[in-house]
Amino acid sequence: DAMVIQNPRYQVTQFGKPVTLSCSQTLNHNVMYWYQQKSSQAPKLLFHYYDKDFNNEADTPDNFQSRRPNTSFCFLDIRSPGLGDAAMYLCATSRSAGPSYEQYFGPGTRLTVT
Amino acid sequence: RKEVEQDPGPFNVPEGATVAFNCTYSNSASQSFFWYRQDCRKEPKLLMSVYSSGNEDGRFTAQLNRASQYISLLIRDSKLSDSATYLCVVYEIPNQAGTALIFGKGTTLSVSS
Repeated sequence: DAMVIQNPRYQVTQFGKPVTLSCSQTLNHNVMYWYQQKSSQAPKLLFHYYDKDFNNEADTPDNFQSRRPNTSFCFLDIRSPGLGDAAMYLCATSRSAGPSYEQYFGPGTRLTVT
Repeated sequence: RKEVEQDPGPFNVPEGATVAFNCTYSNSASQSFFWYRQDCRKEPKLLMSVYSSGNEDGRFTAQLNRASQYISLLIRDSKLSDSATYLCVVYEIPNQAGTALIFGKGTTLSVSS
C-alpha cells in the first residue's frame, strides 16, 4: 500500500505558468519535506513542515512556495516556472525530527517546463 | 555550503564481485550518516544507517571514520539486483526544527552477469 503518494507522476507546464504539485501521506507523520532533484544531481531540500510550522531553506528561490492544509497533504507551488526548474520533485515524510526518524519518500513528480 | 562528496562512478562489476564506495563530508559537526539506494527514476530508499563502530547488514557493510570525515559502503557478492545509485547522506543539525539531510550526488553501480 502506498504510504507517500505524489500526483501527478509527470507534469508538463509552460514557461511562466504556475503549477502545483501534490503530496499526501497515510502515515500520519508530523514532518513533510519537499526535495528537488535535477538529473544526475543530489536531492536538495527546498523546505519542510513540522506540523504547521514552515521551515524554508535559505537558498530556496522565492518562486517556490508550499502549503500544508492538514496533516495528510502538502503542496508545492511554483509561481513562475523557468526552464531551470525542470526536475524531479520528491516529497518525503518522517514521524518526527532528528536522525532517528527515517524519511519515507514518495515516487516523485517529474516536471517538464516547455 | 556544506558538501557531501562521493566517488564519481559508474562502477561496472560482474556478479559476485566485491565493490566499495567512498564518501567524504565537509562539516565536522555532522551527527549521523546514512546510505540510501535510488533505482533509476525512482525515489531514494534508506539502505542502512552508519554507526561509529561500523555495522553490517547481510552483504552490506558500512564504516565511519569521524577523524577523516569519511564514510564507506562495501557490497560483497554483488547481485544483479544491486544495480542502482547509492547516495551518501549526512544529517546536520538544522537551524530550525526538522531533519537536515544533505545528499551526495550518488555513485552508480551496474552489476552484470
